[in-house]
Amino acid sequence: GAGVSQSPRYKVAKRGQDVALRCDPISGHVSLFWYQQALGQGPEFLTYFQNEAQLDKSGLPSDRFFAERPEGSVSTLKIQRTQQEDSAVYLCASSAPAGGRDTQYFGPGTRLTVL
Amino acid sequence: DQQVKQNSPSLSVQEGRISILNCDYTNSMFDYFLWYKKYPAEGPTFLISISSIKDKNEDGRFTVFLNKSAKHLSLHIVPSQPGDSAVYFCAASAMDSSYKLIFGSGTRLLVRP
Repeated sequence: GAGVSQSPRYKVAKRGQDVALRCDPISGHVSLFWYQQALGQGPEFLTYFQNEAQLDKSGLPSDRFFAERPEGSVSTLKIQRTQQEDSAVYLCASSAPAGGRDTQYFGPGTRLTVL
Repeated sequence: DQQVKQNSPSLSVQEGRISILNCDYTNSMFDYFLWYKKYPAEGPTFLISISSIKDKNEDGRFTVFLNKSAKHLSLHIVPSQPGDSAVYFCAASAMDSSYKLIFGSGTRLLVRP
């Protein structure tokens, strides 16, 4: 079956622009996570959804970052007024159970470069 | 404060030999551990996991060992194959923390033919 997909795969933005990154999780997966991966580092948690509810947004680095999942399926991560330090790969992951412990399956990521 | 540490940035082994990748953690609340493999321009791919109630889990060529008292886990790959060359990430989660994963910084494995 189809895995997690993300679009665009690559995004170049000028400093100050707004960007929107999309994640399509595996069909039927209840939980959805966003991570940020800087060069040479491991992924770092940004936010977590269970269906349409955003249950944890403790990892969002500033109020310029906003995520939504209005129908409990597709999710969008929006970054307003992008800064150079926002340059990173943004990874989306989904897992099946609600409130259970299960493997997170990752998409290919969106590489954001802010000039 | 890095809660999950992979102290070896790289490892090179001969094809057919054993690869051992190590990971240390500091948070005693972690109760579930995973290893992911990552190729360039792809997302991390799940390899194997272990719950804190176990000390070993095996899946084919991959075995993960957990030493809770030392807060240490390791991934053994035997025999190593050239296709195993990738970056390996150790990750951990705690039951009371929305199941978010805390990752190490990765170890780049090169398996030489």
